[in-house]
Amino acid sequence: QVQLQESGPGLVKPSQTLSLTCTVSGGSISSGGYYWGWLRQPPGKGLEWFGYIYHTGTAYYNPSLESLLTISVDTSKNQFSLKLSSVTAADTALYYCARVRVNPRGGHAFDIWGQGTMVTVSS
Amino acid sequence: AIQMTQFPSSLSASVGDRVTITCRASQGIRSDLGWYQQKPGKAPKLLIYTASSLQSGVPSRFSGSGSGTDFTLTISSLQPEDFATYYCLQDYNYPWTFGQGTKVEIK
Repeated sequence: QVQLQESGPGLVKPSQTLSLTCTVSGGSISSGGYYWGWLRQPPGKGLEWFGYIYHTGTAYYNPSLESLLTISVDTSKNQFSLKLSSVTAADTALYYCARVRVNPRGGHAFDIWGQGTMVTVSS
Repeated sequence: AIQMTQFPSSLSASVGDRVTITCRASQGIRSDLGWYQQKPGKAPKLLIYTASSLQSGVPSRFSGSGSGTDFTLTISSLQPEDFATYYCLQDYNYPWTFGQGTKVEIK
């Protein structure tokens, strides 16, 4: 079955760029029919949606983060990535990648999630 | 952005109890709402999509209802493995937004 795994540095300095990669196994990103998304959860808090991307490279972003955010896809590696620039301590969170399914009667759902990776922003 | 107000923020219940969690959207979102369960240290898990459709593999004691602005997640008979935090998510328009969560604890 499809599995997702996040990877990247666990510690990032303030003002730098946070970069994470999600590797998809058990299925191809290029097979279509799904989008691939990123979310985060600050310690002890709720969930925030970042955005998602299709295998063609078309991406949709959270407008509040769009100027700082880039989501990209590498179909040759079956991976998609997140870059968040100019990070601050407020960006300390557990970052998740997830598969986005288009539901039969419309709408979307995050039906498969990675286990999450903790990123701390600190000097 | 659409605000999702979820209540209660926490509740205590016993095994076998019927539990209802509510999510209210700040504007109409048709049925573009999902419910997720998150256990400590784990990623969220999809329970319900399109407001009332049960995700494959999820026990039938979970059900969802509602459309427009008011939605509910019901657990018909609470089981020990159901103690967790539950979130609603609207994907009607951008940015997709979550409710603040409901923590279901053991009484």
